[in-house]
Amino acid sequence: LAKTTQPISMDSYEGQEVNITCSHNNIATNDYITWYQQFPSQGPRFIIQGYKTKVTNEVASLFIPADRKSSTLSLPRVSLSDTAVYYCLVGERRDDKIIFGKGTRLHILP
Amino acid sequence: EPEVTQTPSHQVTQMGQEVILRCVPISNHLYFYWYRQILGQKVEFLVSFYNNEISEKSEIFDDQFSVERPDGSNFTLKIRSTKLEDSAMYFCASKLTGTGAYEQYFGPGTRLTVT
Repeated sequence: LAKTTQPISMDSYEGQEVNITCSHNNIATNDYITWYQQFPSQGPRFIIQGYKTKVTNEVASLFIPADRKSSTLSLPRVSLSDTAVYYCLVGERRDDKIIFGKGTRLHILP
Repeated sequence: EPEVTQTPSHQVTQMGQEVILRCVPISNHLYFYWYRQILGQKVEFLVSFYNNEISEKSEIFDDQFSVERPDGSNFTLKIRSTKLEDSAMYFCASKLTGTGAYEQYFGPGTRLTVT
């Protein structure tokens, strides 16, 4: 599994766009990039997954440059309820277990 | 939207007692998992289960732990003789197929407190 590095914590304000960048320098050809979100006292929740370029869904966008050595999760116009821990994961789709890191603790301020 | 459910939401037990944590995965899912999260720490993989047998287990999942799918809907985690260090949130997860490894759906968790 490729090692990932992401900020330990971030603060932002309601209504702002938040970008969380994840570094994964040793990403392999078959690896996908996936983000999970975990609210306090809840289980992790799948947000988005991508392989290259840009992926967008109703929750977030995922930007992946051509070299795939990093990726950026973008949350548009955050609200207080987006306060959570965000995990960047890199691995093959056939991988079974998920190995979570410490994630990025995002705190949204009013 | 279908979801994974877990019961109880909070279990308090004394050291040395057996506990069974219950999960109902999403109905058409085929792969099942248990994870745990000690307060303030990372989510840790315990075990994966497919086709009525364990696919993979972590070092944490020692002989004190067992899993079972007793019927077509429930998936249980048993801890035979609980220790203080077993206090944690335990999350069940399920997945539909083997091709989307990270698209696991997690339950709300059971908070286990061992006294």
